[in-house]
Amino acid sequence: EAGVTQFPSHSVIEKGQTVTLRCDPISGHDNLYWYRRVMGKEIKFLLHFVKESKQDESGMPNNRFLAERTGGTYSTLKVQPAELEDSGVYFCASSQASGATDTQYFGPGTRLTVL
Amino acid sequence: AQTVTQSQPEMSVQEAETVTLSCTYDTSESDYYLFWYKQPPSRQMILVIRQEAYKQQNATENRFSVNFQKAAKSFSLKISDSQLGDAAMYFCAYRSPFAGNNRKLIWGLGTSLAVNP
Repeated sequence: EAGVTQFPSHSVIEKGQTVTLRCDPISGHDNLYWYRRVMGKEIKFLLHFVKESKQDESGMPNNRFLAERTGGTYSTLKVQPAELEDSGVYFCASSQASGATDTQYFGPGTRLTVL
Repeated sequence: AQTVTQSQPEMSVQEAETVTLSCTYDTSESDYYLFWYKQPPSRQMILVIRQEAYKQQNATENRFSVNFQKAAKSFSLKISDSQLGDAAMYFCAYRSPFAGNNRKLIWGLGTSLAVNP
């Protein structure tokens, strides 16, 4: 079974540009999460999808961030326009809809550098 | 709001020795879940062990075990017979009860563990 995959692994962009990150969850996982780790700080929750619906987007920093999950499969996270403080590692995770422990399985992350 | 604290930014251990990583948390909830995740240099985050707060018995997974002290809000990870492959960043994480839509993980800063041959 394939794990959570993320693309690209690295992205370097100029301030003001747009970047789109992609996450492919484990097949059959209805829950999809985005997290971000800024250097020197804790990993922070961004948002949670259940299938194609945004269940919790309380962690989204501002309206420059737009997450979508078309058809309840893969998800994209677009940053437009990117700012310096958006640099960090963006992690995606997925989990099954059922199960008491709802274990989240993580992708390798996308390292975003905004210059 | 819940918080997770890992006070050891870096730790090191000799191969085959035992090491304990500390984690404390703050919450007003009586039921919750605690996790230790490991992120090796290859960057894939892997679940090491999880603990349900309502269970008094400490969780174990092979060489990994936890010391869960609910009253003290402490959740330390013990790695026995350390191996070179255990070298990684270790994150402690908290999650509210399963019911409802609040499934986000709340993380500590992480502890970087080096294993010396």
